[in-house]
Amino acid sequence: AQTVTQSQPEMSVQEAETVTLSCTYDTSESDYYLFWYKQPPSRQMILVIRQEAYKQQNATENRFSVNFQKAAKSFSLKISDSQLGDAAMYFCAYRSAGTGTYKYIFGTGTRLKVLA
Amino acid sequence: SAVISQKPSRDICQRGTSLTIQCQVDSQVTMMFWYRQQPGQSLTLIATANQGSEATYESGFVIDKFPISRPNLTFSTLTVSNMSPEDSSIYLCSVVWGRGAAGLEQYFGPGTRLTVT
Repeated sequence: AQTVTQSQPEMSVQEAETVTLSCTYDTSESDYYLFWYKQPPSRQMILVIRQEAYKQQNATENRFSVNFQKAAKSFSLKISDSQLGDAAMYFCAYRSAGTGTYKYIFGTGTRLKVLA
Repeated sequence: SAVISQKPSRDICQRGTSLTIQCQVDSQVTMMFWYRQQPGQSLTLIATANQGSEATYESGFVIDKFPISRPNLTFSTLTVSNMSPEDSSIYLCSVVWGRGAAGLEQYFGPGTRLTVT
């Protein structure tokens, strides 16, 4: 069975600085998708960024980028130029790429605090 | 993207009663999911709800406690039955939607915060 581990329950970053959130996963599959979700205090989960395992290039979305290390089964999220609105819970998630498989496995989350 | 709404947004219920949570999507989707998120914790999948078939429950969740309906491709309900304080949680509806297998993404509703006293 696949597992997702986020070892940092809480992180803090100064406004305008850069922070990296860690995520590791365990799987025997070769093809899968990885995601970072953000859950602000208002609690609606939104997708931040996604990575296809078959792509070597790291995904980037504006100030958000990932460092995907497939061999190490590591998928970290880097937030550059942190803003107050980035404060939220961040969840790493895994989904198999198998046909008909749509279940997501979530990590335990990292609470990010942004300090003014 | 898919836009999801849930009703109610929050409720306080007495133990032994039941609450039905509604989930409405603005697009037709095959699969809907119901999650539970206990305070400060991650998401736990309760069940997958496919239109036209029985919901598939994850280990630790049973239909008698969490009956689900999925009458059409845009709507689902989750009932939390015979509630106890341990059922206090946020209940989230989600859908997987997109174009092609590679384009599928999961979208979440705003959640229903349930408190059982």
